[in-house]
Amino acid sequence: NAGVTQTPKFQVLKTGQSMTLQCAQDMNHEYMSWYRQDPGMGLRLIHYSVGAGITDQGEVPNGYNVSRSTTEDFPLRLLSAAPSQTSVYFCASSLSGNKDTQYFGPGTRLTVL
Amino acid sequence: QQQVKQSPQSLIVQKGGISIINCAYENTAFDYFPWYQQFPGKGPALLIAIRPDVSEKKEGRFTISFNKSAKQFSLHIMDSQPGDSATYFCAASGSQFYFGTGTSLTVIP
Repeated sequence: NAGVTQTPKFQVLKTGQSMTLQCAQDMNHEYMSWYRQDPGMGLRLIHYSVGAGITDQGEVPNGYNVSRSTTEDFPLRLLSAAPSQTSVYFCASSLSGNKDTQYFGPGTRLTVL
Repeated sequence: QQQVKQSPQSLIVQKGGISIINCAYENTAFDYFPWYQQFPGKGPALLIAIRPDVSEKKEGRFTISFNKSAKQFSLHIMDSQPGDSATYFCAASGSQFYFGTGTSLTVIP
């Protein structure tokens, strides 16, 4: 199993550009989530999904969209990037929910100029 | 408002010593308390977790102590090793998942 994979590993955007961060898992996990990690602030939940077709907002959802059309994939979209979205983004998945082991991907480092 | 408060921000321990990291929460709806370990350039990985029906859980050199009445929990790393040098995050989960701000642990040989 590849586990949780994320692409790209690094990305530089200009303010106002859009992009999609890709996340995929091959463990047949129902629960998937996106976090951003900023110095001194830990990891903060952006959006999560409890299964295909179901998504919900986390602690810091503004400026981000998600969809979950398959069990395997959970892309994160930035519609109009802002410098405040410069961060490291992690995708995670777990078998049964947010009270189960979460398996994290390797992260995407995003810089918005 | 930080849902889970973690301290200290950084910790330096001699090899063989005990590392202690503390966390506190306010939301009594939280019912799952994991600790994650993160090495530079990697995603976090689950270290150990506890539910509020027990006061202590031990796995090898790692122990979680949980005080439900005080709404506090802590991670103890016994016989700390240089390979334990990493950032440690406590977390709490109810309807959503919240992480603490992290503790950077350095174990000196």
